[in-house]
Amino acid sequence: DVKVTQSSRYLVKRTGEKVFLECVQDMDHENMFWYRQDPGLGLRLIYFSYDVKMKEKGDIPEGYSVSREKKERFSLILESASTNQTSMYLCASSDKRGGQWYEQYFGPGTRLTVT
Amino acid sequence: QKEVEQNSGPLSVPEGAIASLNCTYSDRGSQSFFWYRQYSGKSPELIMFIYSNGDKEDGRFTAQLNKASQYVSLLIRDSQPSDSATYLCAVPFRGYQKVTFGIGTKLQVIP
Repeated sequence: DVKVTQSSRYLVKRTGEKVFLECVQDMDHENMFWYRQDPGLGLRLIYFSYDVKMKEKGDIPEGYSVSREKKERFSLILESASTNQTSMYLCASSDKRGGQWYEQYFGPGTRLTVT
Repeated sequence: QKEVEQNSGPLSVPEGAIASLNCTYSDRGSQSFFWYRQYSGKSPELIMFIYSNGDKEDGRFTAQLNKASQYVSLLIRDSQPSDSATYLCAVPFRGYQKVTFGIGTKLQVIP
């Protein structure tokens, strides 16, 4: 079974702090994603990576950066946390099978509160 | 902007009834479609995948795809209280690894 793990389930940080969210997958997947999920807004893509050291902006990249130094690990960085970044953050990974883009496997999520 | 639209609900159905969840998408080139289920406080999990026009059945779940009308639906037969969750429609961008998710429809199955 694919396993995607995230470093924390709950995190409380202060405004202005630098925040690191870590994600690790164990299935050698090429693609990894960071989403945030907010009530009424659904899942929104922040960044994704299709290979080591390769990244692409999603729909809402402002205020975030990412790092992928190893294939299994994808980090989301909040350079200077703000209260509007309080949210549920979900990491996912996926790979291509049979020529089609296949399902995304999600981690358990990190609920981040910025005070 | 590639769009995926769902009614956020809640959709309430009695236990044993058929729940019908709908999703429309804007990209005519989309080839494959996913339905994810998300229980409250949990992360999404894939329950159905469809890429051909018509119906695909898996147990009590049936996904229906109509590419000409650009909609995909999920039917849940014999709905159970354990089916109460939010159901997310997801559509990959043509030629891309990225997926656009709908806002999700919250389903409540009343015992």
